[in-house]
Amino acid sequence: SYELTQPPSVSVSPGQTATIPCSGGNLGQKYISWYRQKPGQSPVLVIYQDKKRPSGIPERISGSSSGNTATLTISGAQAMDEADYYCQAWDFGTGVFGGGTKVTVL
Amino acid sequence: QVQLQESGPGLVKPSQTLSLTCNVSGSSINSPAYYWSWIRQSAGKGLEWIGRFCIDGTIRYNPSLKSRVSITADASNNQFFLTLESVTAADTAIYYCAREIPIDWFDPWGHGLLVTVSS
Repeated sequence: SYELTQPPSVSVSPGQTATIPCSGGNLGQKYISWYRQKPGQSPVLVIYQDKKRPSGIPERISGSSSGNTATLTISGAQAMDEADYYCQAWDFGTGVFGGGTKVTVL
Repeated sequence: QVQLQESGPGLVKPSQTLSLTCNVSGSSINSPAYYWSWIRQSAGKGLEWIGRFCIDGTIRYNPSLKSRVSITADASNNQFFLTLESVTAADTAIYYCAREIPIDWFDPWGHGLLVTVSS
């Protein structure tokens, strides 16, 4: 079955940039979405179609994709960005999520 | 504002059937522009897409659960349902319903409902 791979954790200092990779076979042929999940809350869409932001998501959150890796970038990280982040794609009509990356701002 | 709310029993016995409801407000499940999905999150497996329903008759399930799962809907009450048969402890998870932009992204998600499988 298709898999999306993310690092379990990423640490970033306040004001610095965090990058979260998501890798998978043939990823360049698929759209990636990203979700942010804070403790006790449901996931929230932060990026869709690789790099588009829903309304209400700040510009310092951005997405990109190249080759077999998609990347979520958080610029000027703030304490409010601490959360788990998940990438998601489709493989022959079946939804697939990455294992999630815990972002710590310290 | 689109809102989804899951409801159902929080405890199910092993080998029994899990049945959940998702109530939708602010968006009609009669619209062929959207799909309506179930997703679960367990400690061991992270987020797992279960399957989807669309009023146009499109139904698809995750192959890993296909033999046990069914998703149906009641358009008159703007709600859709999840049925999972022969549950085991491995089905213990938070179950979410979500609106799906067809084969693209999920937005929004419901608050989630913890279902524990235990005798």
